[in-house]
Amino acid sequence: KAGVTQTPRYLIKTRGQQVTLSCSPISGHRSVSWYQQTPGQGLQFLFEYFSETQRNKGNFPGRFSGRQFSNSRSEMNVSTLELGDSALYLCASRAGGTQYFGPGTRLTVL
Amino acid sequence: GQQVMQIPQYQHVQEGEDFTTYCNSSTTLSNIQWYKQRPGGHPVFLIQLVKSGEVKKQKRLTFQFGEAKKNSSLHITATQTTDVGTYFCAGPREDSGYSTLTFGKGTMLLVSP
Repeated sequence: KAGVTQTPRYLIKTRGQQVTLSCSPISGHRSVSWYQQTPGQGLQFLFEYFSETQRNKGNFPGRFSGRQFSNSRSEMNVSTLELGDSALYLCASRAGGTQYFGPGTRLTVL
Repeated sequence: GQQVMQIPQYQHVQEGEDFTTYCNSSTTLSNIQWYKQRPGGHPVFLIQLVKSGEVKKQKRLTFQFGEAKKNSSLHITATQTTDVGTYFCAGPREDSGYSTLTFGKGTMLLVSP
């Protein structure tokens, strides 16, 4: 099976802009989670989607949002970007309790 | 809230030396998982431990789950340069119905030849 894919792999944006990241889970996986990874905070949970519904949400401001489509593909959106949003954004699809991570999108906010 | 802590944050060893990273949870865990992230890569699942006191081995890697199911360790015997990376432990988030994970901040392992 193909692994989790994420696009784009790299993004450079400026403060105040918005960004949309995409994730395609492993075929057959219906749960998609998003994590933000920074050197200081490590891996932090953003939200989880299952069957097009947001099932869980982490402690991030409302500027961070997401959605899932009927084919289980997911997008996350960050509006009004801040410098502190620079991070690696990882998507993971789940089978049982195990998370299978994609390669991530490296977002740099200037 | 639920916290997962790992020590040390960083360790630099000579090739052939052993390495151990420790993980402690503020709450009892139904299971604990370990992931490895190579430099520039993404976390890759290594193993899941479920039973109290469980010990599992993968070649030179030995994983233990504590009796109280609140702590775990990963021990690497005779490290190799291919072991370089950050090792994360993770436990199911109670507030998510256990469907997502709380990660420790990881232990970065550097191995010098």
